[in-house]
Amino acid sequence: DGGITQSPKYLFRKEGQNVTLSCEQNLNHDAMYWYRQDPGQGLRLIYYSQIVNDFQKGDIAEGYSVSREKKESFPLTVTSAQKNPTAFYLCATKTNTGELFFGEGSRLTVL
Amino acid sequence: GQNIDQPTEMTATEGAIVQINCTYQTSGFNGLFWYQQHAGEAPTFLSYNVLDGLEEKGRFSSFLSRSKGYSYLLLKELQMKDSASYLCAVRDFSGNTGKLIFGQGTTLQVKP
Repeated sequence: DGGITQSPKYLFRKEGQNVTLSCEQNLNHDAMYWYRQDPGQGLRLIYYSQIVNDFQKGDIAEGYSVSREKKESFPLTVTSAQKNPTAFYLCATKTNTGELFFGEGSRLTVL
Repeated sequence: GQNIDQPTEMTATEGAIVQINCTYQTSGFNGLFWYQQHAGEAPTFLSYNVLDGLEEKGRFSSFLSRSKGYSYLLLKELQMKDSASYLCAVRDFSGNTGKLIFGQGTTLQVKP
């Protein structure tokens, strides 16, 4: 079955550490997105990529980095520069009919 | 600027009808989406409106008025499993990026 796989599902990080969240898709979709969700707030766009080897900053890119070396993969690195990284991170692709299809999410907690 | 407003919380009774409103002010408009999100899970797509009017899909319907910057999601014959957050999102018209701007979500609690 086609889908999006995010890993790990839960991740704990000490302050000052970088962590990388994986997002892999086998849907053959070109565009991929990373959103962050905090309690009581909507989803906020971190980075997006419309095609391999190209990506753009979203509304809250500071403290994050991405790469898009393969169509199937769009990993997100949360760096130590991100001051409040504890959140639920959602990866998504854009379907052929235009809506976003989301992975199951990764919950990051900074200790 | 970009602004999408939804009520934070709503409560309704099993079997009833509930309407969740969404108003938006965005620099461009290229469609409005509704998603359902159960606690701790990923959002799932419910509906899409790009033209004015009502789109019906089973127990769920969504309405759009572009001139008023207004949409609503109508849920009929409420079931306990409909307890979830409902997210309104607008796609702006910036270069076909597909980016969605989300409201804060409306948490719906369905009571017996």
